[in-house]
Amino acid sequence: AQSVTQPDIHITVSEGASLELRCNYSYGATPYLFWYVQSPGQGLQLLLKYFSGDTLVQGIKGFEAEFKRSQSSFNLRKPSVHWSDAAEYFCAVVRYNNNDMRFGAGTRLTVKP
Amino acid sequence: IAGITQAPTSQILAAGRRMTLRCTQDMRHNAMYWYRQDLGLGLRLIHYSNTAGTTGKGEVPDGYSVSRANTDDFPLTLASAVPSQTSVYFCASSDQASGVGYNEQFFGPGTRLTVL
Repeated sequence: AQSVTQPDIHITVSEGASLELRCNYSYGATPYLFWYVQSPGQGLQLLLKYFSGDTLVQGIKGFEAEFKRSQSSFNLRKPSVHWSDAAEYFCAVVRYNNNDMRFGAGTRLTVKP
Repeated sequence: IAGITQAPTSQILAAGRRMTLRCTQDMRHNAMYWYRQDLGLGLRLIHYSNTAGTTGKGEVPDGYSVSRANTDDFPLTLASAVPSQTSVYFCASSDQASGVGYNEQFFGPGTRLTVL
């Protein structure tokens, strides 16, 4: 079965600093990969997704992620963090035509003024 | 456009009681899902439905049942609640008919359930 690991439970960055959230997946075939964001008390919102093609994908709110097959990683990046980015971030993986989406445990982002 | 609505927003329930969490979507998506979110575990799939009239088990289905009588509604029932079912429950939907292989899931605002 596929699984997703987010090694960092909590990250604190200063506003304006760059950000990288790590995600590693375990799956035999090429997975579909996603990053979702959850603001406090809210549901999840899709930031970006990777299905195939260009391994660097752009998402909403200035986020991007890079798929690296050799490292089984799909790390999320943002060059300059804004205070409104403070939230919980989830990486997820699913197989083609499979409804079983597996989420990582999440990384909570705190942004310092 | 409402998207996905869930009811109730929160509920405190005595152990052993029956509870149905409601989920309605107005996007005409064919697929719907129920997840539970627990601290340190992320979201885990409970049950899903690819289309009206069909359902399937996810990663943690025990103690839960679902039905899908029509496209819009996907209720989740706890027949006899236990404290370990204390969690935040999210309903989601996706349009699996567009041939992309897998599409974005849209999430509801969640139901916070406490079982005492």
